[in-house]
Amino acid sequence: NAGVTQTPKFQVLKTGQSMTLQCAQDMNHEYMSWYRQDPGMGLRLIHYSVGAGITDQGEVPNGYNVSRSTTEDFPLRLLSAAPSQTSVYFCASRASYRDTFQLISGNTIYFGEGSWLTVV
Amino acid sequence: GENVEQHPSTLSVQEGDSAVIKCTYSDSASNYFPWYKQELGKRPQLIIDIRSNVGEKKDQRIAVTLNKTAKHFSLHITETQPEDSAVYFCAASLPPGYSSASKIIFGSGTRLSIRP
Repeated sequence: NAGVTQTPKFQVLKTGQSMTLQCAQDMNHEYMSWYRQDPGMGLRLIHYSVGAGITDQGEVPNGYNVSRSTTEDFPLRLLSAAPSQTSVYFCASRASYRDTFQLISGNTIYFGEGSWLTVV
Repeated sequence: GENVEQHPSTLSVQEGDSAVIKCTYSDSASNYFPWYKQELGKRPQLIIDIRSNVGEKKDQRIAVTLNKTAKHFSLHITETQPEDSAVYFCAASLPPGYSSASKIIFGSGTRLSIRP
C-alpha cells in the first residue's frame, strides 16, 4: 500500500491563480480530510469527507473547495490564491468512523507527506 | 464545536529527564485522544492514543493520562533522548452518533527540544 499520496510537494502561485492539490489513498478509508499547518497554529481542519459524495467544512474552509467523487480521491481546490494561504497542507485519511470504535487501529489518522504552497 | 488547547508551546529538557505536555478539550462528549509526533519537514505520525474509558496508557517510555472530569489529558515522556526532539500534537474527537464525530481537532503543538 502506498498509503496517502498527495501532489504536488512544492508549488509557488501568484495571487489570484487557482490550483488543485491532489490527494489519493489506497486503504479504502471512508474518511478523508485536509489540514493546513502554519507556525504556532498547529493543524487546522479545512474540509473533510466521510464518504464518496459527502463533504463538510472544518475550522478554516474559506477560500477552499473540495469534492469526493470516489472513495480514493479527495482534491482540494484553491479558487483564487491569496498570500494568507501560504502554508503546508496535509491530506489525511482514517478508517470508516462507523466502526472506528470497534477497532483500535481504525482510529488512526494517516497523513500524506505534505504540500508546501507559497502564494506571492 | 470541539476546541483543544495545548501547553506549553515550547519545552526544553535535559537528556534523561522527563517531559510533560498538557492538553484540555472543551466537549465533554469527546472520547478519543491521540498524540502525534512530527519531525522537521515530515508528516505527523501517531505515537499513542487513549479512549475515554481508560485513565492511563503506557508504551515503553511514553504514557498518556486522561482526566475526564477536568477535561484534560497529558503526554509523559520519560528518560528523554535526542530523537525525542520534535513537535508534538494532541487531538480529540467525538464518538459515532455526533454529526462531527469523524473530525479530529488538533492542539497547536509543542516543540520539544532535548538538551545533550
